[in-house]
Amino acid sequence: AQKVTQAQTEISVVEKEDVTLDCVYETRDTTYYLFWYKQPPSGELVFLIRRNSFDEQNEISGRYSWNFQKSTSSFNFTITASQVVDSAVYFCALSLPSGGYQKVTFGTGTKLQVIP
Amino acid sequence: EAGVTQFPSHSVIEKGQTVTLRCDPISGHDNLYWYRRVMGKEIKFLLHFVKESKQDESGMPNNRFLAERTGGTYSTLKVQPAELEDSGVYFCASSHDRGWGTDTQYFGPGTRLTVL
Repeated sequence: AQKVTQAQTEISVVEKEDVTLDCVYETRDTTYYLFWYKQPPSGELVFLIRRNSFDEQNEISGRYSWNFQKSTSSFNFTITASQVVDSAVYFCALSLPSGGYQKVTFGTGTKLQVIP
Repeated sequence: EAGVTQFPSHSVIEKGQTVTLRCDPISGHDNLYWYRRVMGKEIKFLLHFVKESKQDESGMPNNRFLAERTGGTYSTLKVQPAELEDSGVYFCASSHDRGWGTDTQYFGPGTRLTVL
């Protein structure tokens, strides 16, 4: 069975600081997908990124970057120069394509508070 | 393009009562998923529809939960009778079916259910 661990329950940073959210996953499958979702105070889950298991390239999107390392089964998320609008709960997730659909396994989420 | 919508946004009921949650997926998305987050824990898969057919309902907690997707459009999730432990946030997600199980799921804002 697959599992996603987000060891950081809550993080507080001062605006403009960099912050890294950790994600460690477990699966025996060789084909899988990793995701990050953001849940702002409004409640919806906003898709941020998807990465498949065969692509270990790191990705940067503006102030967001993701570090995927299969050797350590980690998919960490870094926000550079954090802003108050980044305050949210962030979920890391793993899915295994099966029978033409996905069953997504989520971590428990990391609540990020950016203090002005 | 409208995203996934859920109704109501919040429901407060007493133990033993019945509640019906509704999800309208993104137009054209054949895959529809229900998830639940209880008491700040991880978001857990409940079930999956492809059009009107249930493909996987392995995550449904018990027979007090009934999900339907008549006509393959919107879906309802009924809890009858509701128990205290059913309190949580119920998320719906949808994705376009390409048959490879690789599509990203887009989530709705969730319905917060409180059972008193």
